[in-house]
Amino acid sequence: SQKIEQNSEALNIQEGKTATLTCNYTNYSPAYLQWYRQDPGRGPVFLLLIRENEKEKRKERLKVTFDTTLKQSLFHITASQPADSATYLCALGASGNTGKLIFGQGTTLQVKP
Amino acid sequence: EPEVTQTPSHQVTQMGQEVILRCVPISNHLYFYWYRQILGQKVEFLVSFYNNEISEKSEIFDDQFSVERPDGSNFTLKIRSTKLEDSAMYFCASSSAPGGYEQYFGPGTRLTVT
Repeated sequence: SQKIEQNSEALNIQEGKTATLTCNYTNYSPAYLQWYRQDPGRGPVFLLLIRENEKEKRKERLKVTFDTTLKQSLFHITASQPADSATYLCALGASGNTGKLIFGQGTTLQVKP
Repeated sequence: EPEVTQTPSHQVTQMGQEVILRCVPISNHLYFYWYRQILGQKVEFLVSFYNNEISEKSEIFDDQFSVERPDGSNFTLKIRSTKLEDSAMYFCASSSAPGGYEQYFGPGTRLTVT
């Protein structure tokens, strides 16, 4: 069955450092992959999307890579700030027109001042 | 900035009762979704909806669930006879296009079934 794995343990880093979050998947060939941020008790907020034919995408301090051979995406936050503390969700989507997303369980990031 | 809204924010109901969760998607979006998140677990897809039809539904979305777009602005999720295991946060989302486009999520409705 399809499986998406994100770092299950919380990631604690110092302010100013780069946070790197991992998303691995098996038994799936996504057409695209999205990263969302979720704060406690709130809905997910879209951050970045990368398609299967793209290797890397950037937006301000955020960077995502997508390796379909390794079946892995890496999500980087550079110059991290305490306000970046949240849970980050990886979501995969298939080709086709339904828009269904399959989410990983998320990685909680804690940025300490 | 446009946003997805959901009502109520918290709904408490007794097992076996019907509930309707309401959502107002972003006005120019045409694709609508419901997801749920049981406390401490991952976000799970329930259903996608376009052009007044279900595009895809998950195994969770059984005969007890239904969706409707009763007018030009609202999108609803109905659970006919709630079970204890239906307790979760329910998120509505919308997008301007399907597959491969960002989805905008609402703040969620926390459903508690007692």
